[in-house]
Amino acid sequence: DAKTTQPTSMDCAEGRAANLPCNHSTISGNEYVYWYRQIHSQGPQYIIHGLKNNETNEMASLIITEDRKSSTLILPHATLRDTAVYYCIVRVSNTGNQFYFGTGTSLTVIP
Amino acid sequence: GAVVSQHPSWVICKSGTSVKIECRSLDFQATTMFWYRQFPKQSLMLMATSNEGSKATYEQGVEKDKFLINHASLTLSTLTVTSAHPEDSSFYICSTPYGGTENEQFFGPGTRLTVL
Repeated sequence: DAKTTQPTSMDCAEGRAANLPCNHSTISGNEYVYWYRQIHSQGPQYIIHGLKNNETNEMASLIITEDRKSSTLILPHATLRDTAVYYCIVRVSNTGNQFYFGTGTSLTVIP
Repeated sequence: GAVVSQHPSWVICKSGTSVKIECRSLDFQATTMFWYRQFPKQSLMLMATSNEGSKATYEQGVEKDKFLINHASLTLSTLTVTSAHPEDSSFYICSTPYGGTENEQFFGPGTRLTVL
């Protein structure tokens, strides 16, 4: 599975959009981009995933560049409860299904 | 989404004892479950893949005789930390894929193990 690179930490003002970048320059054509987040001392929570098209759900939007070498997770109106570590993972959908986590981005939403 | 539970949520034990952690899928059948370990301020590290009815597959560097995995049914996988030592103190998390071809995973709430 391709490796990902994310900033170690980010701050975002409450109510503003949080844009979390992820680089995955070695991604293969059949690898999906998944985003999860982990609030302190809890299990990771699924946010969104995509292959090449932009995706949106009730939690977030996922913007994938045309060359698929990077993506951005957007939380449109960040709240204090969005403070968490956000993990970007790339993986072929049916290759054993296990995830290998990188270091993630620690997002702090500031009042 | 799918619900995965873990029991206990936290456990404290003495060095040398064994501790069993349960992972249950509550509303679906899970032929595969994954076990992760997370040390403080670090990311999740995959330990092993638990397969119902067969032996678990361990990641490189994980001692299979120390971390015993049993996937006896389609809704339950157990991880037993044998002869626990303080360095085994960690946050243990299980997960399972849930349907579809794109297989997003659902994670349990985690078990905090503290070995004294």
